[in-house]
Parts: sequence; structure tokens; C-alpha cells
Amino acid sequence: AQSVTQPDIHITVSEGASLELRCNYSYGATPYLFWYVQSPGQGLQLLLKYFSGDTLVQGIKGFEAEFKRSQSSFNLRKPSVHWSDAAEYFCAVGLNDYKLSFGAGTTVTVRA
Amino acid sequence: GAVVSQHPSRVICKSGTSVKIECRSLDFQATTMFWYRQFPKQSLMLMATSNEGSKATYEQGVEKDKFLINHASLTLSTLTVTSAHPEDSSFYICSAREGTGRNTIYFGEGSWLTVV
Repeated sequence: AQSVTQPDIHITVSEGASLELRCNYSYGATPYLFWYVQSPGQGLQLLLKYFSGDTLVQGIKGFEAEFKRSQSSFNLRKPSVHWSDAAEYFCAVGLNDYKLSFGAGTTVTVRA
Repeated sequence: GAVVSQHPSRVICKSGTSVKIECRSLDFQATTMFWYRQFPKQSLMLMATSNEGSKATYEQGVEKDKFLINHASLTLSTLTVTSAHPEDSSFYICSAREGTGRNTIYFGEGSWLTVV
């Protein structure tokens, strides 16, 4: 069965520290991969996406993600976190029909 | 960049009534739109795929007669929750596929529905 796993429910990080959010998937083929961010009560904003090509993807707000086929992973990273990065982060996966399956989400808290 | 707009952002309705939520792609044509539902502090679950000019495709377990979807134009899809019950209270969010080479999915701001 197809699935998307975000192992970390909640991560707390100090402002200025690095952040890594994990995402693993189980699909029959290499899917399209997305990371979205959601602030409380708001919609989703696309941070970055991977369809093919270079496995290190640069996104907005200083985020990047690396696709590792051997590990079926698409982890999100940011070298230096800002207080405004506190939000819910969702990894999403889909095939060429663009029906996305979402992970459970990771809540990021940034402490001063 | 591409923008997807939903309206209303918040709505309260009485049990037994129907409520319509609109999803518009503001600066691109979206032949395909998707409707998701999100319960508080949970992830998003795909409800249905809305195709312009044809019937929507519903995911397993989603009642098509309760959640009516209409995709009347290339920029507008509507979700109507019929005979609403308190358990229909949720965050409904749409997305639209921009297919002009960029193949990106953009999400709307979401709509909070509370049924009292």
C-alpha cells in the first residue's frame, strides 16, 4: 500500500539552529515529492518539489530537500531557523495524476 | 506566482442546511482541481478530484451525494456540503494543478466549516 511517513510529530529547535524534517514514502514507483508549510488556520504554501533530475532541491525561505531513492526519503532541511519558521510542515507524495497523499505532519516550534 | 482562492474562509451553518465553498484559480487555468478535508491537528485527506466539464471522481468512503462537486469552468470548482451535520465540521481545502509546463499543485487558503 502507498504511504507517507513523517516520523517526527513535534520538533523544537532554537532560533539560528539547523532543522531537518524527515519524510519517507512507500510507493510502487518513484513519485512526485512535495513539502508544504501550514501556519495555524491557514492554507498550504509550497516550499519545494521534486519531479526528476538533481536530487538536491532548493526551495523558498531558505529550505532545501534531498531525494534519496535508496532510502525512499525526501528530508527537508534549513541551515538556520528563524522564529517565523514555526509552523506545521507536511510532506506530500503523488504520481502523475497529482492526487497527493500527505504525511501526518511535523509541528516545528522555535525557541528564542 | 499562481494563486488559488477559496471563499468563504469561514462559514457557520445550521444542521440540515447546505453550504457551498468556491475554489478559484486566479491567474491560470486549472483543468483539474482537488478537494481535501483536514480535521483539527490532523493531516489532509483527499476527498475528490474535480475535472472541468465532467463528473468528479470521489475517493473511497466519500459520499458523492453529500459532497457535491461542480467544475463549471477552467477557473472555478465548487464543493457543496448538503444536509450538513455537526460531524461535517472541518477545514476544507482545495488545490489546483497548473499544467502549463510547471506541473505544480497550488493550494487555496482553506475554508473552515462549522455546523451547529
